[in-house]
Amino acid sequence: DTEVTQTPKHLVMGMTNKKSLKCEQHMGHRAMYWYKQKAKKPPELMFVYSYEKLSINESVPSRFSPECPNSSLLNLHLHALQPEDSALYLCASSRGPGQGASRSTDTQYFGPGTRLTVL
Amino acid sequence: GENVEQHPSTLSVQEGDSAVIKCTYSDSASNYFPWYKQELGKRPQLIIDIRSNVGEKKDQRIAVTLNKTAKHFSLHITETQPEDSAVYFCAGSSGNTPLVFGKGTRLSVIA
Repeated sequence: DTEVTQTPKHLVMGMTNKKSLKCEQHMGHRAMYWYKQKAKKPPELMFVYSYEKLSINESVPSRFSPECPNSSLLNLHLHALQPEDSALYLCASSRGPGQGASRSTDTQYFGPGTRLTVL
Repeated sequence: GENVEQHPSTLSVQEGDSAVIKCTYSDSASNYFPWYKQELGKRPQLIIDIRSNVGEKKDQRIAVTLNKTAKHFSLHITETQPEDSAVYFCAGSSGNTPLVFGKGTRLSVIA
């Protein structure tokens, strides 16, 4: 299995709702990522998990809460979102996060994304 | 931190012609440079990548070149086809830093 999967494909939520995005990979990858992508823009990194521990939080508002229950799963919990949070949310994984200046970054593979609309 | 600049932002070519997209990076420690293709409504898909221990890599109609001294790398697509139409993103990183993406190039191949 060489795929990253994400559910749901589409999500519409109100500003008072609580919802979760899910991501799964079975490639044995130990690094997983959440990105946000607005139309006509590159993916923007939100969080990085390395060996199931949060290693990077790119100053993301607390209404986004990541969780990594095990090495194959990554969740993004959403609460009290704003309309400007509407975007494509992409999950990605890689074999490892890179370990030191002498090691090159491992290839990242993206999931199909969740198209989120906040009303 | 790393900064990746990508040009042009849009590119139109006739079917069968070649397309070239260029990126520059700022961090001399960067050693990994992937290229992603993203079709409308789909995920970014890795099409080719290069590491700083090589200067060129080729995969059928796609090639990437890297000039470490000048800190730039380029994507070359030969014999373009309509299905090559998409947004292409370059990116760069070192072993210690996450990927930094360029702003993207919208390639249109006109039949």
